[in-house]
Amino acid sequence: AQSVTQLDSQVPVFEEAPVELRCNYSSSVSVYLFWYVQYPNQGLQLLLKYLSGSTLVKGINGFEAEFNKSQTSFHLRKPSVHISDTAEYFCAVTPVSALSGGSYIPTFGRGTSLIVHP
Amino acid sequence: NAGVTQTPKFRVLKTGQSMTLLCAQDMNHEYMYWYRQDPGMGLRLIHYSVGEGTTAKGEVPDGYNVSRLKKQNFLLGLESAAPSQTSVYFCASRRRQVWEQYFGPGTRLTVT
Repeated sequence: AQSVTQLDSQVPVFEEAPVELRCNYSSSVSVYLFWYVQYPNQGLQLLLKYLSGSTLVKGINGFEAEFNKSQTSFHLRKPSVHISDTAEYFCAVTPVSALSGGSYIPTFGRGTSLIVHP
Repeated sequence: NAGVTQTPKFRVLKTGQSMTLLCAQDMNHEYMYWYRQDPGMGLRLIHYSVGEGTTAKGEVPDGYNVSRLKKQNFLLGLESAAPSQTSVYFCASRRRQVWEQYFGPGTRLTVT
């Protein structure tokens, strides 16, 4: 089984400031990691993902995240936020190996609300 | 491509009523998922399907049933709605061996 902890439920920040949204996970197997963004009254869309290779991954809209295996973390960062980045952000993991039954059940964190003030 | 669509977008039910939520995808994805989203709880998996004709329980399956008779459709049923099922429901799909999910726009369900 795996679990995902998003350490901040809400992060207020001023426009053009940097931001970091924190995500830690625990799992008994190796996992793939994801960040999704949900704009108000919309579904989720993929921001970025880590499957293998370089631990620094870049996504859409200027976001990037770094996978740290020893700290089991996958924090999301942006050097300069815009008003339009105001949204809910979800960290998620999927096991690399199929669990019993041959499936790959994803687990989501509870979300971090990023609020960008002018 | 329309991607993942959900019908209806909004619904109000009285306790004890039944309804079916429809999810459709036109991307030929093998995997499909139903989640519910509640404030402060993130997304919780209700049921999922790894292919046509197969379904399995997720984290919170009680009170829901699902069917996947066609590859492109995944139906979520509530046989006897309860106020605890007031939530926003999201459907998602993905291709086998491609790990990111594609989400629908959601269905906001209120049970009074």
